[in-house]
Amino acid sequence: AQSVAQPEDQVNVAEGNPLTVKCTYSVSGNPYLFWYVQYPNRGLQFLLKYITGDNLVKGSYGFEAEFNKSQTSFHLKKPSALVSDSALYFCAVRPLNYGGSQGNLIFGKGTKLSVKP
Amino acid sequence: GAGVSQSPSNKVTEKGKDVELRCDPISGHTALYWYRQRLGQGLEFLIYFQGNSAPDKSGLPSDRFSAERTGESVSTLTIQRTQQEDSAVYLCASSFRPGEKLFFGSGTQLSVL
Repeated sequence: AQSVAQPEDQVNVAEGNPLTVKCTYSVSGNPYLFWYVQYPNRGLQFLLKYITGDNLVKGSYGFEAEFNKSQTSFHLKKPSALVSDSALYFCAVRPLNYGGSQGNLIFGKGTKLSVKP
Repeated sequence: GAGVSQSPSNKVTEKGKDVELRCDPISGHTALYWYRQRLGQGLEFLIYFQGNSAPDKSGLPSDRFSAERTGESVSTLTIQRTQQEDSAVYLCASSFRPGEKLFFGSGTQLSVL
């Protein structure tokens, strides 16, 4: 079955330290990969996406993600965390050969990032 | 409009009543998605519309749930005979084309008493 896994419910990081939010996927074909963020009391926002090309993708707010095909992973990273990065982060996958639907996105369950001063 | 608009923002209903949720996507966006987010949970796919193609209804949890979209404009999600487990935030999103980034609305908080 097509699926996305975010193995950590919560990640705690001290401000200024690097952060990683993990995502692995299980889909057929070569997927499009996305990260979205949900700040408290705000809607979901797009952070970045990988379609093809360079495995390291840079996105909004200083975030980046690395596509690793052999490990089927797309971990979100930031070199230096800010308190304002505290939010809920969702990994999403659009498998290119997903049944009859060419556009559906499968979301992970989300990881809560908490950055302490 | 400037963004994806959902209405109402909050809906409180009694068990057994029908509810209708509305989504106005960004003008020109061909793809429209409905997701459900229960408290503390991730996003659960419900239904996906793409242009004039048949919608992907594979995520609808029961036959009490249905959705329509007129062309590439407004969509309505209807829940019949609501149950308490239907309580959640219902999110609508649209994208210019399949595979493009999604723009989400603020959601409709549905509470079934």
